[in-house]
Amino acid sequence: KNEVEQSPQNLTAQEGEFITINCSYSVGISALHWLQQHPGGGIVSLFMLSSGKKKHGRLIATINIQEKHSSLHITASHPRDSAVYICAVSNAGGTSYGKLTFGQGTILTVHP
Amino acid sequence: GAGVSQSPRYKVAKRGQDVALRCDPISGHVSLFWYQQALGQGPEFLTYFQNEAQLDKSGLPSDRFFAERPEGSVSTLKIQRTQQEDSAVYLCASSLAPIALRETQYFGPGTRLLVL
Repeated sequence: KNEVEQSPQNLTAQEGEFITINCSYSVGISALHWLQQHPGGGIVSLFMLSSGKKKHGRLIATINIQEKHSSLHITASHPRDSAVYICAVSNAGGTSYGKLTFGQGTILTVHP
Repeated sequence: GAGVSQSPRYKVAKRGQDVALRCDPISGHVSLFWYQQALGQGPEFLTYFQNEAQLDKSGLPSDRFFAERPEGSVSTLKIQRTQQEDSAVYLCASSLAPIALRETQYFGPGTRLLVL
């Protein structure tokens, strides 16, 4: 079992729909990161959170430390949101400098 | 300011060839990470530098992989005698703090390596 599990692996939506991507982890963490990766492109950090909820534009990230679960929500989705969304945790395995352990990503496609 | 840059962006190597991948982190960033991303998978940790010191190389898959950051800025990942299973995207990330537990990591565009 991977230390970081994401669901769903693939997600297709119509423009305007509300989208939720889930992430569960099985180890103690210092922080959880949500990242975005466009095809052929690099990775962009969307959120880093260790508790509660963060919001940036149409994106919202929440984390429940007790349940070891996080969600990424996209409101009013748009085709430009199409990308791979990756959940990653730092301090997995007790390291002291923040190497990331990644989920395998969720491929999101938003149709016009 | 400039972000993390990597070169080359694409590399095609014949099996058995040696390759060198370069990472230029954001100026002043102390922490530097290398990750490997196989097709359709999430990235996996390879190695970590704090300035010029390689503090963790536990993710390097074999002794054919070698990384260095001699002056605490630019880093090079070298793969000797490449094999087909080395084909992947190699990502570099940097972070300002020496302890990046709750720090944003800034990723480069990656180097896509294809070994034929």
